[in-house]
Amino acid sequence: EVNLVEIGGTLVQPGRSLRLSCAASGFKFDMFAMHWVRQAPGKGLEWVSGISWNSGSIVYAESVKGRFTISRDNAKNSLYLQMNSLRREDTALYYCVKDMGEAEVGTGFDYWGQGTLVTVSS
Amino acid sequence: QSALTQPASVSGSPGQSITISCTGTSSDIGTYNLISWYQHHPGEAPKLIIFEVTKRPSGISSRFSGSKSANTASLTISGLQSEDEADYYCCSYSDVITSVLFGGGTKLTVL
Repeated sequence: EVNLVEIGGTLVQPGRSLRLSCAASGFKFDMFAMHWVRQAPGKGLEWVSGISWNSGSIVYAESVKGRFTISRDNAKNSLYLQMNSLRREDTALYYCVKDMGEAEVGTGFDYWGQGTLVTVSS
Repeated sequence: QSALTQPASVSGSPGQSITISCTGTSSDIGTYNLISWYQHHPGEAPKLIIFEVTKRPSGISSRFSGSKSANTASLTISGLQSEDEADYYCCSYSDVITSVLFGGGTKLTVL
């Protein structure tokens, strides 16, 4: 059974940093691209970042480019999101998401975690 | 890059069919078949219901179908059931930003 578990969400002040982690199990992690998708309170889904199976290709939404860094450790079946210079508008539920393909182009997001809540507030 | 354009809401009665549109551009929907649809019940994780325009993942009812014409993708749900009431999102690859776009979401109400 595929399982994605996100941790790291918390209340953080504007301008500070936070690192999210996602532990994956139940599938060959090193064969698939992975993504982070977020949903702000009362808003729709927003794609944040994606990383190919071997970390060879990484892409970001314009809203987080230069502030967020996605990475993965295939030996640990883990995905990460380093979030720097956090803003109030980054407040959201962050989902760890598995792609159906090996490239980070969004073939189809077939498994989602339950999400971890990041609140940016003073 | 703007999100793909979806109607904010649609509604239908049990047993009826509804269609949700998703309009993009020649840089995304119009060129690529990397179009997917997601069903999202509040408090749950989103669920993939259509990928690559028309394909259904294992376990997804045949009542859900997808299509594309020019720069617009569509999701049709036939034989509406009360459990279909949810938010629906389209998603496409975009070569303008070489990444992924979501639509703004459509709230489906089953009357």
